[in-house]
Amino acid sequence: AQKVTQTQTSISVMEKTTVTMDCVYETQDSSYFLFWYKQTASGEIVFLIRQDSYKKENATVGHYSLNFQKPKSSIGLIITATQIEDSAVYFCAMRGLTGNTRKLIFGLGTTLQVQP
Amino acid sequence: GGIITQTPKFLIGQEGQKLTLKCQQNFNHDTMYWYRQDSGKGLRLIYYSITENDLQKGDLSEGYDASREKKSSFSLTVTSAQKNEMAVFLCASSIHSQDTQYFGPGTRLLVL
Repeated sequence: AQKVTQTQTSISVMEKTTVTMDCVYETQDSSYFLFWYKQTASGEIVFLIRQDSYKKENATVGHYSLNFQKPKSSIGLIITATQIEDSAVYFCAMRGLTGNTRKLIFGLGTTLQVQP
Repeated sequence: GGIITQTPKFLIGQEGQKLTLKCQQNFNHDTMYWYRQDSGKGLRLIYYSITENDLQKGDLSEGYDASREKKSSFSLTVTSAQKNEMAVFLCASSIHSQDTQYFGPGTRLLVL
């Protein structure tokens, strides 16, 4: 069975610092896709960044980057130079290539609070 | 770029009522999805559609029907709303079923 686990329920950091959010996943698939989404206070879910399992290079988009450790089934999200508006709930998600490949498996989310 | 629109933003119904939620996208994406998000939980897939007139059940399809009459729209019907049911229903779309999914703003449901 596929599963995504985010162990950090909430994190609080000071503005302009770097934060890492953890995510571990379980899958039997040899190839899979990993995603991070952000849910704002209004409820909107925004796609942030994606890592395809066959790519060795960590993905980077703006001030978001990933720490992909395939042997540990881990995909951490790193936010550098955090801003107040980064305060949100962050979801890690995975999609495999077998079974119901259309389905994203989501973690339960990590709430990030950025303090001024 | 494009946008996903969900209507209504808030939906209040009575127990046993049939309620319909609508989703429109102008990305020209092939695949569309309905997810349910309960408070403090992740998202669970209800239905998805890989093309016009196609429907596929997700993990949570019991109690729901869906309809994809046009490529740009995907509707979800709660066949018999349950009392004290409160959740957010999120519509998403992707170019094809393997690609990144983009989400709409959600419809918040409350059943009295």
